[in-house]
Amino acid sequence: SQQGEEDPQALSIQEGENATMNCSYKTSINNLQWYRQNSGRGLVHLILIRSNEREKHSGRLRVTLDTSKKSSSLLITASRAADTASYFCATDAYGYGQNFVFGPGTRLSVLP
Amino acid sequence: GAVVSQHPSWVICKSGTSVKIECRSLDFQATTMFWYRQFPKQSLMLMATSNEGSKATYEQGVEKDKFLINHASLTLSTLTVTSAHPEDSSFYICSAYPRGETQYFGPGTRLLVL
Repeated sequence: SQQGEEDPQALSIQEGENATMNCSYKTSINNLQWYRQNSGRGLVHLILIRSNEREKHSGRLRVTLDTSKKSSSLLITASRAADTASYFCATDAYGYGQNFVFGPGTRLSVLP
Repeated sequence: GAVVSQHPSWVICKSGTSVKIECRSLDFQATTMFWYRQFPKQSLMLMATSNEGSKATYEQGVEKDKFLINHASLTLSTLTVTSAHPEDSSFYICSAYPRGETQYFGPGTRLLVL
């Protein structure tokens, strides 16, 4: 079964609104990373949060990690049409019996 | 940032032919690279770990004789889809860790087998 699972699977918002995506995982991890993928393209690394961190910011991105609940969230503030993409969380659980595992992703549509 | 390239970006081939996909690290050396495949509107599934100078490690359910991996140098890994069939049509993505914990991905190769 997949290690990371995002919800919602699809999200549609208006430009300027905030978008929140959640990710849950099953095993212990070293870190959790969020990636963006535009349709038919490769993955772009957004942010990495380590297991001993609770929150990280990067520009309009805010990531939280709750290891007790085995969950993470990605918040995109003041969304733009260019943020339209699929967003994946990936857990690095090397040493805990798994390698890099991706969740199913959230497809975000930001409407102008 | 680190750059990973793939070639070709897309390929169409006839059923039964073999297709080679290259993954290169352009500004760093990678002793390990990873190969993923992705079906439409689905997530990435790790196929195998490519190790420079040694055999690749395949994930459960991935046929090593079907998907041949060769990591001939510190900057190049190749994935050959042998005797391709329509069900092999997919988006193939490679990645590498240039340093630390962040994995960088290539732009992907779209394979269509007719």
